[in-house]
Amino acid sequence: QVQLVQSGAEVKKPGASVKVSCKASGYTFTGHYIHWVRQAPGQGLEWMGCINPNSGATHYAQRFQGRVTMTRDTSISTAYLELNRLRSDDTAVFYCAREVNWFVPWGQGTLVTVSS
Amino acid sequence: EIVLTQSPATLSLSPGERATLSCRASQSVSSSLDWYQQKPGQAPRLLIYDASNRATGIPDRVSGSGSGTDFTLTINSLEPEDFAVYYCQHRSMWPYSFGQGTKLEIK
Repeated sequence: QVQLVQSGAEVKKPGASVKVSCKASGYTFTGHYIHWVRQAPGQGLEWMGCINPNSGATHYAQRFQGRVTMTRDTSISTAYLELNRLRSDDTAVFYCAREVNWFVPWGQGTLVTVSS
Repeated sequence: EIVLTQSPATLSLSPGERATLSCRASQSVSSSLDWYQQKPGQAPRLLIYDASNRATGIPDRVSGSGSGTDFTLTINSLEPEDFAVYYCQHRSMWPYSFGQGTKLEIK
């Protein structure tokens, strides 16, 4: 079945970077965009951007420009989200999702905690 | 950037009642509007795509309507499992965005 499995929880200090992975299975990885969505504790969903796994082209939300990098490794069907210069308000669950026009499925989420 | 505004923020209803959730876009998104349900500790789940099409496994008491800037998610005969947070999302153009969510709670 189509599945996205994300890497485990991370604890980072302010100013550090984090890299979250999203491994796809059950479909042709290069055939569908992968999107990343952030959800701060008790808050709503925030679209961060996406990557075309075939070409590597990316689209980022303006508020993350300069701090976020989305990449992929087609040999292992995995997409990556890297967020730099972490702040305490970056503490959130990060989700990946496959786009088939709409988002399905979603990964299980990765909690990133930023704390000194 | 297209802004999606959901209303109400919180909806308190009893099982068996009908829920009507609204999503308004700051400019037309045609029918490129989807609805997601999220329960605590879980990833969002697709309910409705292209404004009015039920996703696989979604019961027919759940329906979506609208186009352009005004959209509605209706859930008839509320079941206990329907109480959750609902988000609309557009994919009309970059950047995509979500509404702020409507929490459907048990009255």
